[in-house]
Amino acid sequence: AQKITQTQPGMFVQEKEAVTLDCTYDTSDPSYGLFWYKQPSSGEMIFLIYQGSYDQQNATEGRYSLNFQKARKSANLVISASQLGDSAMYFCAMREGWRDDKIIFGKGTRLHILP
Amino acid sequence: GAGVSQSPSNKVTEKGKDVELRCDPISGHTALYWYRQSLGQGLEFLIYFQGNSAPDKSGLPSDRFSAERTGGSVSTLTIQRTQQEDSAVYLCASSLGRNQETQYFGPGTRLLVL
Repeated sequence: AQKITQTQPGMFVQEKEAVTLDCTYDTSDPSYGLFWYKQPSSGEMIFLIYQGSYDQQNATEGRYSLNFQKARKSANLVISASQLGDSAMYFCAMREGWRDDKIIFGKGTRLHILP
Repeated sequence: GAGVSQSPSNKVTEKGKDVELRCDPISGHTALYWYRQSLGQGLEFLIYFQGNSAPDKSGLPSDRFSAERTGGSVSTLTIQRTQQEDSAVYLCASSLGRNQETQYFGPGTRLLVL
């Protein structure tokens, strides 16, 4: 079974609209961390936001917020007021346990922002 | 300060040759990770180092792949007898270590096996 599922292979969104990128995860470990990374066409991986499994509040970083629904094992990324520069691949990822161990990535969602 | 660097940035090789990919992590980062990203795919975990030891080698695809890290710093990923299916971008990341959330990625090495 996949540990990280991103069901949207591609999305087209009008500039200035809000975007929600879906991510569901599967783990039996009560301690885990969830990440979102952005990968522009240039190829570098850019860390966006992190949510710990015990964090009480949803993580926010500027225009990025993580809609963490623990019971549903869902960690959707919300981008407010989208910009043309947001066009990129977006990866959801998870680390299980408190060990600084491997991070498992989803297959990604390609986001296209339309002018 | 300097970020994670990788060399070479691009490598074209013939099937059957050996290649070495290098990763220079951020100074002071004790954890180092190697990932592989095939065209249009997500990241596939290969191996993780804490200091010079690799507690998890489960992601290495075959015994043709090996990695080492010396002095708690530079790491090399070696692929022996390369095959065409090894063609991918090989990404390295580093982090401060235990309980530090963020991994910082290098620009990757694009490997093409002809």
